[in-house]
Amino acid sequence: AQSVTQLGSHVSVSEGALVLLRCNYSSSVPPYLFWYVQYPNQGLQLLLKYTSAATLVKGINDFEAEFKKSETSFHLTKPSAHMSDAAEYFCAVSNDYKLSFGAGTTVTVRA
Amino acid sequence: DTAVSQTPKYLVTQMGNDKSIKCEQNLGHDTMYWYKQDSKKFLKIMFSYNNKELIINETVPNRFSPKSPDKAHLNLHINSLELGDSAVYFCASSQAKRNEQFFGPGTRLTVL
Repeated sequence: AQSVTQLGSHVSVSEGALVLLRCNYSSSVPPYLFWYVQYPNQGLQLLLKYTSAATLVKGINDFEAEFKKSETSFHLTKPSAHMSDAAEYFCAVSNDYKLSFGAGTTVTVRA
Repeated sequence: DTAVSQTPKYLVTQMGNDKSIKCEQNLGHDTMYWYKQDSKKFLKIMFSYNNKELIINETVPNRFSPKSPDKAHLNLHINSLELGDSAVYFCASSQAKRNEQFFGPGTRLTVL
């Protein structure tokens, strides 16, 4: 079965700094990969997805992720953090009729 | 114009009780899901339904019984609630089995 691992359970960045969240996947077939964001006491919102088209994927709120097969990675970046980016971020891989999620990364943004 | 809705948002109940959570999606999707998020925020699939048929039952105790009366609804009934059932339960839907899933706002279940 396919799986993902998120490196770093907590990331703290300064406002305006680069945000980098790491995700590595394990898959025997070409994966479909997703990044979701969860704001406090809310559901999950899709940030972006990779479905075997372009390797550089752009999402909402200036987030983007690059699929690197050689490194089995799908890291999420944002060039300039805003206070509103403070949330929980989940990487996920599709396993036919279910998503398998990483453990999540909590992002805090310092003023 | 809510895409995936769940009721109730909060549910507080005593051990041993039976409770239900309802989910509806207006996206026209053919697949619906229940996920459980534990206190450490780990998300795990419980059930998947495609066109009202159960596709995945991920080793969930049989106290949990999902029901899909039609493609737009997937309800979750829980019998004999236990302390360990306390969690946030998310409903989701998608079109086809590998596409992105759209999540509801969650139901926070607290068992006392």
